[in-house]
Amino acid sequence: ETGVTQSPTHLIKTRGQQVTLRCSSQSGHNTVSWYQQALGQGPQFIFQYYREEENGRGNFPPRFSGLQFPNYSSELNVNALELDDSALYLCASSRQTGREETQYFGPGTRLLVL
Amino acid sequence: TQLLEQSPQFLSIQEGENLTVYCNSSSVFSSLQWYRQEPGEGPVLLVTVVTGGEVKKLKRLTFQFGDARKDSSLHITAAQPGDTGLYLCAGMAYKYIFGTGTRLKVLA
Repeated sequence: ETGVTQSPTHLIKTRGQQVTLRCSSQSGHNTVSWYQQALGQGPQFIFQYYREEENGRGNFPPRFSGLQFPNYSSELNVNALELDDSALYLCASSRQTGREETQYFGPGTRLLVL
Repeated sequence: TQLLEQSPQFLSIQEGENLTVYCNSSSVFSSLQWYRQEPGEGPVLLVTVVTGGEVKKLKRLTFQFGDARKDSSLHITAAQPGDTGLYLCAGMAYKYIFGTGTRLKVLA
């Protein structure tokens, strides 16, 4: 139990639609990161938010966008869905302790695009 | 492009056997983490290593960070069925780069 929750757990959309995924971080964790994990692969970094501002981005197009709110919740929005967007989407909240950063992952949202 | 390659990709062993999983890159990382992920769940952090040559032990698991901070290994002694899962390494550059994963199955 990491204290990070995500909703919904599963979602089916069709190509071209838009989707919003939600994440509730641990209280006090002011950094949240989003990852895409395709079947059989490791997670790929989408972007990170720190104190409600984007703080780094991976190789994902602008149709992937996010928001972070003061209450430690965040959203991942994907516009114009494509078939290849089908994946497990993970959020991770983190805190820094000295030189180590500990990420706590949620269980993920499995998105299927038809 | 920074890549972390893990080997082997798949491993099926009998309970009680030892195994080593490798995580290799041509890039230097400021720290490296190992996670285990089970079906339907997110990855769970096992350990963070930050110093070149560092060795950390977590019960039957031994983690080593290479001297040049480009590679790492995870050694499991006397594997048990509860060790079954997807093992992921993740190197920290300006962002976390995850490896390709090693899927371990320990048979009773």
